[in-house]
Amino acid sequence: NAGVTQTPKFRILKIGQSMTLQCTQDMNHNYMYWYRQDPGMGLKLIYYSVGAGITDKGEVPNGYNVSRSTTEDFPLRLELAAPSQTSVYFCASRMDKTGELFFGEGSRLTVL
Amino acid sequence: AQSVTQLDSQVPVFEEAPVELRCNYSSSVSVYLFWYVQYPNQGLQLLLKYLSGSTLVKGINGFEAEFNKSQTSFHLRKPSVHISDTAEYFCAVSGPGNEKLTFGTGTRLTIIP
Repeated sequence: NAGVTQTPKFRILKIGQSMTLQCTQDMNHNYMYWYRQDPGMGLKLIYYSVGAGITDKGEVPNGYNVSRSTTEDFPLRLELAAPSQTSVYFCASRMDKTGELFFGEGSRLTVL
Repeated sequence: AQSVTQLDSQVPVFEEAPVELRCNYSSSVSVYLFWYVQYPNQGLQLLLKYLSGSTLVKGINGFEAEFNKSQTSFHLRKPSVHISDTAEYFCAVSGPGNEKLTFGTGTRLTIIP
């Protein structure tokens, strides 16, 4: 019973590098989300998706891109990494608008 | 658009004492309200949620919350806390028809033995 799986768990990037955070869920959930968590700031929504082929911006989308080609996968792409993108990233999913949000264990990214 | 305010960033409480974590929201429409808990180095997990009906909602681990529409609040309570309740607690809101869930800044609950 895997739930929401995120990889990698830890990553160090140099300024200007690019990378993709992977997220996959095995619960057949329609809704998927990417949040970033910074100390004292709570969780900020980066992007979300309500189904395969449909994505939309959240509060803090600049510097990121997403795609949703399948129900299971929702990768987050960081282009031209900047120190301001140092954060813990959480992927989450839920079946519908009233349902429980299931979170992955997080990916800690440091940009130096 | 909706927003959530958690006024207390940290709450220290003695073991076996009661606790209340405050959450206020603002929204122009009816809302769904949630409390999530985050243990160290983990993702968040759901404690309880309010969608409609009874304003007193019971969740896991002995927590409960009361939806107060007139005061736009959804405070979390527990009558007697345990060391294992040490964690960060997040209030969240979404409106019907709104696919996005907006989180507060969190309250760190510290239990003092």
